[in-house]
Amino acid sequence: QLQLRESGPGLVRPSESLSLTCTVSGGSISSDTDCWDWIRQTPGEGLEWIGNVYNSGFTHYNPSLKSRVTMSVDTSKNQFSLRLTSVTAADTAMYYCARHGRGPGAVEAFDPWGQGTLVTVSS
Amino acid sequence: QSVLTQPPSTSGTPGQRVTISCSGSGSNIGSHSVSWYQKFPGTAPKVLMYTGSQRPSGVPDRFSGSQSGTSASLAISGLQSEDEADYYCATWDDSLSAWVFGGGTKLTV
Repeated sequence: QLQLRESGPGLVRPSESLSLTCTVSGGSISSDTDCWDWIRQTPGEGLEWIGNVYNSGFTHYNPSLKSRVTMSVDTSKNQFSLRLTSVTAADTAMYYCARHGRGPGAVEAFDPWGQGTLVTVSS
Repeated sequence: QSVLTQPPSTSGTPGQRVTISCSGSGSNIGSHSVSWYQKFPGTAPKVLMYTGSQRPSGVPDRFSGSQSGTSASLAISGLQSEDEADYYCATWDDSLSAWVFGGGTKLTV
């Protein structure tokens, strides 16, 4: 059973960078069809898609965050990562990683999700 | 403000059938399939429905989805107390070139 788990600092200072890692277990991140996504939920607000990365390293970012986002994948560690620069209080959120299945027989949705990690931006 | 519009809340009594709507536009629901997610406080979202009306294994058939034009809906029949949660719709938006979510609907049983 595929499981994802986020890790990283829970507190980031304004103007600095937020870095999170998602570790995939119970399956390989090297799927040719799946992509690996980051999604966040700000306090009291809805869900916002940040972007995704394929095992090839190809990325697609939400245009609203594109100038500040970098995602990468490390197939040797079965991990993928998120870096968000120049953070402000508005970036305080629960950050989730998720797989998005693609292709024949796949559940074409965000499934599964990691448990989430709360990141607070504060001095 | 979310690209996809959902009612903020809905309610029902045990055994009832409730429907949660998700309204969008031609660039999102009108062109792409919708997925639905169930979220309990303090836990990660879980997929309930994908490509509009497909249920992943393990999701009870009390949950059903439909999609027409620029709207989609999630129906829950035989409502149970454990269905009390937040529900979100999601799809791809061609204009925004991004996945978009509804604002979520809080279901009270």
